[in-house]
Amino acid sequence: DAEITQSPRHKITETGRQVTLACHQTWNHNNMFWYRQDLGHGLRLIHYSYGVHDTNKGEVSDGYSVSRSNTEDLPLTLESAASSQTSVYFCASKGSPQETQYFGPGTRLLVL
Amino acid sequence: AQSVAQPEDQVNVAEGNPLTVKCTYSVSGNPYLFWYVQYPNRGLQFLLKYITGDNLVKGSYGFEAEFNKSQTSFHLKKPSALVSDSALYFCAVNYGNEKLTFGTGTRLTIIP
Repeated sequence: DAEITQSPRHKITETGRQVTLACHQTWNHNNMFWYRQDLGHGLRLIHYSYGVHDTNKGEVSDGYSVSRSNTEDLPLTLESAASSQTSVYFCASKGSPQETQYFGPGTRLLVL
Repeated sequence: AQSVAQPEDQVNVAEGNPLTVKCTYSVSGNPYLFWYVQYPNRGLQFLLKYITGDNLVKGSYGFEAEFNKSQTSFHLKKPSALVSDSALYFCAVNYGNEKLTFGTGTRLTIIP
């Protein structure tokens, strides 16, 4: 069955370190998304991609970057981790606008 | 800009009673509307969607939602609540582009 996976599931890091969160999907979807979920804010879009070599900023993109070298993967990089980036991160993918968007299980990141 | 509102942060319902979780969307074109559920420490799971056609949409776990164009609403309903329905529910909207816009979520608690 097709799926979307994230790794690691839990991560503790220190401020100033670079961190990369992996996202891999086997749906063959062109569209992939990264969100963060914080209490009181719901889901906020960080970055998204509509295809290979395409990346776009979402509403909370500062301090984050993504790259899309193939269809299956969209890694999220925190260039210099900050305590404000402590959050739960979700990756998602979807096909056309009418299609269902599928979410990964999430990565819980703690920045000390 | 597309937007969706969930006016209630918290909804409490007695087990066996009908439940409603409210969602309204901004008026702009023809929306595609979605409901997702999130259980503790899990990713978001798709419940149901409205794309076109019948205004009453049936989804997973006995949930249904009614698209009401005049009231710009897409409320989630279930005739008889179960304790296992306790979770965080998100409404989302898409207007034919690739991005989903999510509401801030409603925490549903079913009281035994």
